[in-house]
Amino acid sequence: NAGVIQTPRHKVTGKGQEATLWCEPISGHSAVFWYRQTIVQGLEFLTYFRNQAPIDDSGMPKERFSAQMPNQSHSTLKIQSTQPQDSAVYLCASSLDAETLYFGSGTRLTVL
Amino acid sequence: GDQVEQSPSALSLHEGTGSALRCNFTTTMRAVQWFQQNSRGSLINLFYLASGTKENGRLKSTFNSKESYSTLHIRDAQLEDSGTYFCAAEANTNKVVFGTGTRLQVLP
Repeated sequence: NAGVIQTPRHKVTGKGQEATLWCEPISGHSAVFWYRQTIVQGLEFLTYFRNQAPIDDSGMPKERFSAQMPNQSHSTLKIQSTQPQDSAVYLCASSLDAETLYFGSGTRLTVL
Repeated sequence: GDQVEQSPSALSLHEGTGSALRCNFTTTMRAVQWFQQNSRGSLINLFYLASGTKENGRLKSTFNSKESYSTLHIRDAQLEDSGTYFCAAEANTNKVVFGTGTRLQVLP
């Protein structure tokens, strides 16, 4: 069991470029969560999926951010037209039946 | 919205001593989890509680859903316990919201 795998570990983009972050949940886990962590805002909930269906995206900025889970084995978080304030560590977690969360190591996004 | 208030924000302990961290919830939560974030940034799950008390080694956690709070007790603190501790509460919608964290420093 490799745990939750997030790629890339680090991503640097220029302002206005697109960034796609990948998450591979633990095999068999039915729920996938995305969070963003910054020093100022702490750990912010973005969105979550259960059985690949989007359940709650109340934390997602309405513009530029989108998340998908096209199959059981991966989820993506896409940020269009990245801005410096999008710089953060983006964390993905999976769980079995939305109980104990298991986190990946995160993707550190830096927008110049 | 769902809010999780965590205290203290920072804590220093000498090795061998103990203390408690607390999270208060503004709405009814169905479960709580506690995590330790280490120096590498990895979030390690410590406890998941839907009610009652769980203990694991030098750590003990309690969740009182009626009174909307949870605690994490650390006893006999060791240097490797240093890090940031987060509680995370699960609302009835299964959305999991994090507290602001407690930065723990264990001193020799």
